[in-house]
Amino acid sequence: TQLLEQSPQFLSIQEGENLTVYCNSSSVFSSLQWYRQEPGEGPVLLVTVVTGGEVKKLKRLTFQFGDARKDSSLHITAAQPGDTGLYLCAGVKYGNKLVFGAGTILRVKS
Amino acid sequence: GAVVSQHPSWVICKSGTSVKIECRSLDFQATTMFWYRQFPKQSLMLMATSNEGSKATYEQGVEKDKFLINHASLTLSTLTVTSAHPEDSSFYICSAQVAGVAETQYFGPGTRLLVL
Repeated sequence: TQLLEQSPQFLSIQEGENLTVYCNSSSVFSSLQWYRQEPGEGPVLLVTVVTGGEVKKLKRLTFQFGDARKDSSLHITAAQPGDTGLYLCAGVKYGNKLVFGAGTILRVKS
Repeated sequence: GAVVSQHPSWVICKSGTSVKIECRSLDFQATTMFWYRQFPKQSLMLMATSNEGSKATYEQGVEKDKFLINHASLTLSTLTVTSAHPEDSSFYICSAQVAGVAETQYFGPGTRLLVL
């Protein structure tokens, strides 16, 4: 059972475009994390959101945690080819276990 | 920053052999390490939680006798895939949780296993 639904699964856009990736669940998480993973490497943590309604910005990336702490979104402004990669959301559950979403493969074409 | 290493980075083995993968936290102590498995273009699936000095906790559907986990020290956990078969071919990733700091896991670079 996939507790975290992530969409879209695949996104191919032109350099300079904006995009949003969504992560939704029926479960409440103590916090939610976003990772970026490149082929053949482990995921790298981008951000952790903890408080319902929280918004965090990391340069051109904006992360939002839903008020009920069940959903989150990642918005990228003016995407660049260097943003290409697999983006994963992960909810933190009991025992500090991470439940990962299915991932979004982003390809930014120059 | 916290660095986690894995060794080997890739391994090719014959069907029926056993393969050991090491996960090390290089500059911090990790009371808990996690082992994940990832198939191409898919997400990470948690296999087991490894606590230093105690038996690992396996997720449902993961065979503990096939995937042996040993967490002998605060900086090292090993995953042994016993009697490997082609369907075990995958990308295995470990993460280490900083002692006393919840919700912070640092991931290793992964180990690509190919069983012929």
